[in-house]
Amino acid sequence: EIVLTQSPGTLSLSPGDRATLTCTANKPVSTSYVAWYQHKLGQAPRLLIYGASRRATGIPDRFSGGGSGTAFTLTISRLEPEDCAVYYCQQYGSSELYAFGPGTKLEIK
Amino acid sequence: QVQLVESGGGLVKPGGSLRLSCVVSGFTFRDYYMTWTRQAPGKGLEWISYISSSGNVVYYADSVRGRFTVSRDNANNSVFLQMNSLRDEDTAVYYCARKDYSRGLDVWGRGTTVSVSS
Repeated sequence: EIVLTQSPGTLSLSPGDRATLTCTANKPVSTSYVAWYQHKLGQAPRLLIYGASRRATGIPDRFSGGGSGTAFTLTISRLEPEDCAVYYCQQYGSSELYAFGPGTKLEIK
Repeated sequence: QVQLVESGGGLVKPGGSLRLSCVVSGFTFRDYYMTWTRQAPGKGLEWISYISSSGNVVYYADSVRGRFTVSRDNANNSVFLQMNSLRDEDTAVYYCARKDYSRGLDVWGRGTTVSVSS
């Protein structure tokens, strides 16, 4: 079973800053099947990144993903107040489980 | 326009049952796996089930296996989640989402709320 952990749990930054969120797996995950989602209170989750580094349709280039093996990152540059949300990583390549990480809460000061 | 709309949530007593529905539009439903994910109050997202495009392959998270059943009706562009033996800890917002082979869960509904309480 693949288990994902995310760090930090909470990140508090200012507008214009760069945020780096990390997702770690307990065993290697295919790069092709790692995604990042943004979830704002009261809204549906939104796909940001798939295949570890590919931006989903309509996602600004301030959002970028990277990594391989067991370590993956989501970077958000030039933070804006609207980026305030919880961000989740997920692996979706296993034939059995599409587990999410526990999430990173991003606060914009 | 791709759209997923969940319904069927509500208040139910422990041990009770509910059936959630998700009606989709704007894409060829029979070509996609569909998933259910939930978020309990104050908690993160928890994937709970998926069903293959034809409906012949299903998987469940350990937390719901044996109590929840996922099904689909490709003729009517709908996916369902039958929830039995409900527990307090099943209280959550339940989301259906389309699963694209390469892009993951690329389209989500707005969710339906299930509250389990005596």
